[in-house]
Amino acid sequence: DQQVKQNSPSLSVQEGRISILNCDYTNSMFDYFLWYKKYPAEGPTFLISISSIKDKNEDGRFTVFLNKSAKHLSLHIVPSQPGDSAVYFCAASARGYDMRFGAGTRLTVKP
Amino acid sequence: NAGVMQNPRHLVRRRGQEARLRCSPMKGHSHVYWYRQLPEEGLKFMVYLQKENIIDESGMPKERFSAEFPKEGPSILRIQQVVRGDSAAYFCASSPGSWGEKLFFGSGTQLSVL
Repeated sequence: DQQVKQNSPSLSVQEGRISILNCDYTNSMFDYFLWYKKYPAEGPTFLISISSIKDKNEDGRFTVFLNKSAKHLSLHIVPSQPGDSAVYFCAASARGYDMRFGAGTRLTVKP
Repeated sequence: NAGVMQNPRHLVRRRGQEARLRCSPMKGHSHVYWYRQLPEEGLKFMVYLQKENIIDESGMPKERFSAEFPKEGPSILRIQQVVRGDSAAYFCASSPGSWGEKLFFGSGTQLSVL
């Protein structure tokens, strides 16, 4: 069962524009949400997180929005840079472990 | 300060052989997680271990797969009698605690079964 879904396998944006990556989840018990970034031949690296008590968390160019009623979160990258090109995984957990990951979205930022 | 170390980076096995994947967590981390990524798919949780204990193995296949995290030494993911469908990237992650902690991932082991 896929409890975390990233329906867009790929996204292409122009450098300097906004990138919006989306994620939906089905388990209402999830209370902690994260985004990871993965380059080829490397492990995922943590990017930004948000707990269910918040609806927004910002860190530099990266902002995560959480809509609990819609069971939806999104990652905004503004402005997008070519170095942001990577696969982005959405993840969610309840109880702190058993973190569930989406299938990933491959972001390409064109110069 | 080394991150999560996984070895080998690449492992080639023939069908029926055994595969052993090793993971040393970050210093100070006592919680280890194994994930598998099949081609074109996301990361699938396999097992969560603390030192000498398996906390949750709900994502592990019931047969041929086992994991341990001994008091001394790295965590080991063991796959017996490998089949072609076991070919995947296996990632290990660690965290200092289990509640609301982000995971730190290793670079993974790419297992190829011929």
